[in-house]
Amino acid sequence: SQTIHQWPATLVQPVGSPLSLECTVEGTSNPNLYWYRQAAGRGLQLLFYSVGIGQISSEVPQNLSASRPQDRQFILSSKKLLLSDSGFYLCAWSGTGALSPLHFGNGTRLTVT
Amino acid sequence: DAKTTQPPSMDCAEGRAANLPCNHSTISGNEYVYWYRQIHSQGPQYIIHGLKNNETNEMASLIITEDRKSSTLILPHATLRDTAVYYCIVRGAGGTSYGKLTFGQGTILTVHP
Repeated sequence: SQTIHQWPATLVQPVGSPLSLECTVEGTSNPNLYWYRQAAGRGLQLLFYSVGIGQISSEVPQNLSASRPQDRQFILSSKKLLLSDSGFYLCAWSGTGALSPLHFGNGTRLTVT
Repeated sequence: DAKTTQPPSMDCAEGRAANLPCNHSTISGNEYVYWYRQIHSQGPQYIIHGLKNNETNEMASLIITEDRKSSTLILPHATLRDTAVYYCIVRGAGGTSYGKLTFGQGTILTVHP
């Protein structure tokens, strides 16, 4: 069966520090991969999605970036964190079918201080 | 993607059926209805999806009205672990809707003993 791993589960970082969140998927090949962010008390916002290695689509302009160095690895990065980057970051995967359900990891709660 | 409307909260007694309604009156012919739930501090969990026929799986049943303008998610025997926020999402197959699950505020379901 397929599993998705995200780490770390929680992270506290000072303003201006870099960020690297990693997500890996097991049990499937060539998945579509997604990064979402959920601000406190709000819905999920799609940040990036990827349909293959090195292929990244950005949904919102911001100081975050994403990379997919391997088929089942998706990384969310920032060179300098802002206070507004605090939130709950979720990685998800889906099959390649346009209507394939998304399956989410357990998220990383990021607090920028 | 079509907008959905859900009640902000519902209660259910443990062991009874939980019926969660969703209105999606502007749904188009090629859009599916998806249900996810999110337990506190975890990633959303996919439950079920359907187009126009009723669907059932090991977690729940989905009843879609004939005109497809509304649907009901049924948890046949709710347990305390079903307490979560339930999201009804309408999702199309093509173009810019790819991978974009638009999460609204959802329904907070509280299952009590």
